[in-house]
Amino acid sequence: EAQVTQNPRYLITVTGKKLTVTCSQNMNHEYMSWYRQDPGLGLRQIYYSMNVEVTDKGDVPEGYKVSRKEKRNFPLILESPSPNQTSLYFCASSYTVAGEQYFGPGTRLTVT
Amino acid sequence: GQQVMQIPQYQHVQEGEDFTTYCNSSTTLSNIQWYKQRPGGHPVFLIQLVKSGEVKKQKRLTFQFGEAKKNSSLHITATQTTDVGTYFCAGQDFKTIFGAGTRLFVKA
Repeated sequence: EAQVTQNPRYLITVTGKKLTVTCSQNMNHEYMSWYRQDPGLGLRQIYYSMNVEVTDKGDVPEGYKVSRKEKRNFPLILESPSPNQTSLYFCASSYTVAGEQYFGPGTRLTVT
Repeated sequence: GQQVMQIPQYQHVQEGEDFTTYCNSSTTLSNIQWYKQRPGGHPVFLIQLVKSGEVKKQKRLTFQFGEAKKNSSLHITATQTTDVGTYFCAGQDFKTIFGAGTRLFVKA
């Protein structure tokens, strides 16, 4: 089954404790993105990747890092999480930058 | 930078009424996509519009892309309770800019 998976689905952590949210897709997509969703603000792009070893900042990249060492995986790293990073995070992938995006189930992160 | 504005933020309708959500971009778009997110779920792709003035239909849903490729709309005819959710437009170049979404409530 074609899908995008994210782990963990839920995470409660404390300020400053490094964490990684994993994202994996099994569709051989080149383009992958991370978004955060906050009430009233819709989906805002954090980082995107056009292909392996090619990443770039979206609209809200501060406080986040990403890597793309393999085509299927695109982890999101929070080196020192802060409460303003409490949000719902979605990973998405598509064949091309302009293509239909497939979203993962989401990761609800709470930073206290 | 590029912005995509979407209105209204919320819409309450009686089942059977029509519904429309509008998107406006500050810049010309290469294409626009529409997604639906059910409560508690993730966004799911509905359609992509590429050509100026394009109109596409999916059963009760009608999607339009403006002549200047700066605005778009989604119209649902005779809403049903299964239409409940948030509808997002997304404009694209190398980045994807989502509108804030329109949350649709349908009363049976």
